[in-house]
Amino acid sequence: DSGVTQTPKHLITATGQRVTLRCSPRSGDLSVYWYQQSLDQGLQFLIQYYNGEERAKGNILERFSAQQFPDLHSELNLSSLELGDSALYFCASSGGSLAVGETQYFGPGTRLLVL
Amino acid sequence: AQSVTQLDSQVPVFEEAPVELRCNYSSSVSVYLFWYVQYPNQGLQLLLKYLSGSTLVKGINGFEAEFNKSQTSFHLRKPSVHISDTAEYFCAVRSNFGNEKLTFGTGTRLTIIP
Repeated sequence: DSGVTQTPKHLITATGQRVTLRCSPRSGDLSVYWYQQSLDQGLQFLIQYYNGEERAKGNILERFSAQQFPDLHSELNLSSLELGDSALYFCASSGGSLAVGETQYFGPGTRLLVL
Repeated sequence: AQSVTQLDSQVPVFEEAPVELRCNYSSSVSVYLFWYVQYPNQGLQLLLKYLSGSTLVKGINGFEAEFNKSQTSFHLRKPSVHISDTAEYFCAVRSNFGNEKLTFGTGTRLTIIP
């Protein structure tokens, strides 16, 4: 158990819909990262938040957005869903102190299926 | 920008045999290197990481990896595998300054044959 929790575990929805994925980082971790794992794209970094502020952006679509709240949990919002958005979405957290090579701890993921 | 190549998508190995999973990276700056393991229906777990210093890094579950700067490689090894090592293994890289995002390889599925 990494200490990172994600809800829900599974999500089935229809094209055009909007969903929200939730992540609670390990206790004390300030940084939250979102990754997408799909069969065709592999594991791709989407976005990082540090203590409530966006720190880095990767291959995140404009239809997707994220935020980190004062209690440090984060939400990833996916809208106007397409079939190709079906994937496993991981959240990871780290201390965020910019210490050398901090480990990112991954949650169990949310499996999204768009029908 | 960085990139990671894991040439072997699948590696079958007999139980108690040694295994090497290959990882090559490309980067214009110095990097940190990681190996993560993903067991079926689970998240990613860190096996080991190279930050600096000794090029031979030991991790959990008997795994080790060697950083080779001249060959830009970070191959993962285990001298004797067990059934429980069946999983997908991902090599990852990140710059050692600035952006902390991890860039992953496409993964290697290790199958242990009894």
